[in-house]
Amino acid sequence: QVQLVQSGSELKKPGASVKVFCKASGYTFTSYAMNWVRQAPGQGLEWMGWINTNTGNPTYAQGFTGRFVFSLDTSVSTAYLQISSLKAEDTAVYYCAKRLGHSFDYWGQGTLVTVSS
Amino acid sequence: DIVMTQTPLSLSVTPGQPASISCKSSQSLLHSDGKTYLYWYLQKPGQPPQLLIYEISNRFSGVPDRFSGSGSGTDFTLKISRVEAEDVGVYYCMQSILLPLTFGGGTKVEIK
Repeated sequence: QVQLVQSGSELKKPGASVKVFCKASGYTFTSYAMNWVRQAPGQGLEWMGWINTNTGNPTYAQGFTGRFVFSLDTSVSTAYLQISSLKAEDTAVYYCAKRLGHSFDYWGQGTLVTVSS
Repeated sequence: DIVMTQTPLSLSVTPGQPASISCKSSQSLLHSDGKTYLYWYLQKPGQPPQLLIYEISNRFSGVPDRFSGSGSGTDFTLKISRVEAEDVGVYYCMQSILLPLTFGGGTKVEIK
């Protein structure tokens, strides 16, 4: 069965960096793009962008350029989200989501990143 | 960006009664390939979103048939024929005809 398992919660200080992982299993990792979605506390869903798991080419939504980096390690079927120069407003749950067609069929459980001094 | 507007913001439903959620997009979601890229998700409390409906009206694997989707162009509706306790959560519509993918603001469904 398809599973996306994400890394655990993180507490970081402003200015620090964080790297979240999303380990996939139950399907051919390089056959489906991986997306990232942010959900700020008590808020809705915001699409951050996606990474082509075959080529490694990322696409970032506006507002997620510069400090946000999507990467892969296909040898372990894992996608990564790195956020640098963290700000308080980066506090959110970050989800990875496997693409199916033009949507997402499976989601990770989410990783809470808290940025606080 | 395409703006997705959901109404109502919240809904309180008696078990066994129907519920309906509207989603309107700021431009047509009908693609030249003939498909309409409108999706519905349910986020149950403390869980990630789960796909309910794809391309307006197709139920995803395992989704009960009490859920149905309809609409065209810019106006879409999700209906639950008989709400059950397990249907509580926030429902989101999403478009994927154009980047960036965008979600509606969500409709919170609770049980009376």
